[in-house]
Amino acid sequence: DIQMTQSPSSLSASVGDRVTITCRASQTIDIFVNWYQHKPGKAPNLLIYDASNLQSGVPSRFSGSGSGTDFTLTISSLQPEDFATYYCQQRYGFATFGQGTRLDIK
Amino acid sequence: EVQLLESGGGLVQPGGSLRLSCAASGFTFSKYAMTWVRQAPGKGLEWVSKISDSGGYTEYADSVKGRFTISRDNTKNTLHLQMDSLRAEDTALYYCAKHLTSTSGAGSPTQFDCWGQGTLVTVSS
Repeated sequence: DIQMTQSPSSLSASVGDRVTITCRASQTIDIFVNWYQHKPGKAPNLLIYDASNLQSGVPSRFSGSGSGTDFTLTISSLQPEDFATYYCQQRYGFATFGQGTRLDIK
Repeated sequence: EVQLLESGGGLVQPGGSLRLSCAASGFTFSKYAMTWVRQAPGKGLEWVSKISDSGGYTEYADSVKGRFTISRDNTKNTLHLQMDSLRAEDTALYYCAKHLTSTSGAGSPTQFDCWGQGTLVTVSS
């Protein structure tokens, strides 16, 4: 199985901050990484697909980049509704998720 | 509006069985592959199983292969997950999810644009 390692596992930030979450794959996976936002008691929400494509309806402050083994999710200016857990997911092989990054209010 | 509504979760003893269902609406169900994802208490997301648009192709995580069976009824817009030989480690919130693109056959990219609210499965004696 392809392992996805996210960092950091948790992060505290303030409204307006720029935040970057990284994900490293255990082997090269081209651009086949998706990013999801998950809030407690809610369904996960697709933010970015295939490394850098913004899903319809997702605010433009979210962006993704990377290829091969290293990928990043960036939130350019944190908003109150962005505090959640974020997961990367690869689709090169059978789907696997990173362990998640919990983003809290500082 | 796309909606997915899971049902069928509950408390079951180790070695027992459960059948989960996911009722879909708001899109042409028969044109999209579907997936089950689970989240154990306090843990992250784990992909469980995928089924193609027609139901002719399925995939399973190693952790459930041989014990779980995914199926679908395109006449009733419903997805199922038959779970047998349940173990304590299968305890989780189970989500059904719709694939982003309507790709026919085995090649549907595993990326999910709509998820249900989940149904809780607890395996305990």
